[in-house]
Amino acid sequence: KAGVTQTPRYLIKTRGQQVTLSCSPISGHRSVSWYQQTPGQGLQFLFEYFSETQRNKGNFPGRFSGRQFSNSRSEMNVSTLELGDSALYLCASSLNTLTGTPYEQYFGPGTRLTVT
Amino acid sequence: KNEVEQSPQNLTAQEGEFITINCSYSVGISALHWLQQHPGGGIVSLFMLSSGKKKHGRLIATINIQEKHSSLHITASHPRDSAVYICAVSGSSGTASKLTFGTGTRLQVTL
Repeated sequence: KAGVTQTPRYLIKTRGQQVTLSCSPISGHRSVSWYQQTPGQGLQFLFEYFSETQRNKGNFPGRFSGRQFSNSRSEMNVSTLELGDSALYLCASSLNTLTGTPYEQYFGPGTRLTVT
Repeated sequence: KNEVEQSPQNLTAQEGEFITINCSYSVGISALHWLQQHPGGGIVSLFMLSSGKKKHGRLIATINIQEKHSSLHITASHPRDSAVYICAVSGSSGTASKLTFGTGTRLQVTL
């Protein structure tokens, strides 16, 4: 099976712009989670989507949003970019079911976003 | 205080040494994950465990639920084991997919 893919892999944006990142999960995985990794804060959970619904959310401002499509592919959007949004954005997919039982997460390679 | 604490932050070992990385957590969890991150960013899941012990090759992970503590052991370490090892916990009560991460342990194995 193909792994989790993320596009684009690298992105440079200017402060104030918006950006959309894409994640394609492993075939059959219905749960997609997004994470932000920065040198200062480490890895932080952004949100999780399951069956096109946001099921869990981390402590990020409303500028960070996401969605999931019927084929389980997911996008995250960051509006009004700030310098502090520069980070590696990772998505992960899992077989996580409706009951929320923990499952192993499979990570994509990440999108490295630089905001100037 | 962070919900997930790892120690040590940095570790240098010689090839062949036995390595232990520790993780303590302060919240209720449904599972604990050990992850490996190589330079360049890619993260690989090594273990997910909710009780006892798991072994995969030279890697062993243990968890003590009562003490809220887990350890990752690497036997006969090799330079290719050099990476950042991250402990993460899955939340409980419907938040199993929400991972909370430790700050990671940077391991360097030298010849």
